[in-house]
Amino acid sequence: SQELEQSPQSLIVQEGKNLTINCTSSKTLYGLYWYKQKYGEGLIFLMMLQKGGEEKSHEKITAKLDEKKQQSSLHITASQPSHAGIYLCGADFYSGGSNYKLTFGKGTLLTVNP
Amino acid sequence: GAGVSQTPSNKVTEKGKYVELRCDPISGHTALYWYRQSLGQGPEFLIYFQGTGAADDSGLPNDRFFAVRPEGSVSTLKIQRTERGDSAVYLCASSLTRDDNEQFFGPGTRLTVL
Repeated sequence: SQELEQSPQSLIVQEGKNLTINCTSSKTLYGLYWYKQKYGEGLIFLMMLQKGGEEKSHEKITAKLDEKKQQSSLHITASQPSHAGIYLCGADFYSGGSNYKLTFGKGTLLTVNP
Repeated sequence: GAGVSQTPSNKVTEKGKYVELRCDPISGHTALYWYRQSLGQGPEFLIYFQGTGAADDSGLPNDRFFAVRPEGSVSTLKIQRTERGDSAVYLCASSLTRDDNEQFFGPGTRLTVL
């Protein structure tokens, strides 16, 4: 089974709507990374969370790591077509902080209709 | 400045052939990573370089895969006796140091083994 599950697998929203993507881990997270990927392009780093309860925002995107450090949510407010793409969460499962050896979820495909 | 570049962008080869995939990291970045992304999956860690040395190659699937970074900059991922199951997008990323949480990804090389 997958160590890192993302939900939903895909999401279609109308421009201007809010949305949430979840990332659930079967193990304790020592770091949780959110990336965005467009077809044919590399991953773009969005933010990294490390402490339980931590919340970070970048423009209209907010991510939070829950207290028990096994789930993260990514929330987009007032979505725009530019938000469309695949959102990937990546986990650092190593307490020693091997932030390079990330385990990724399968991604959530977001479509924003104008 | 220039981002991470990868060449070729697409590579089609026949089963049993040898291929080399090249990665040019961001200038000055000491850490370099290779990932493999199969269709519908998140990236899967292959190998990490710190400088010229492979600090962690635990993600390489078998001994047909090998990577080098002889001068601590450009890296080449080499695959011998390619198999159809090797078909995937091979992503390269770099970061300033290993402790830097943000990895900068290249656009990937799409490898197709016929």
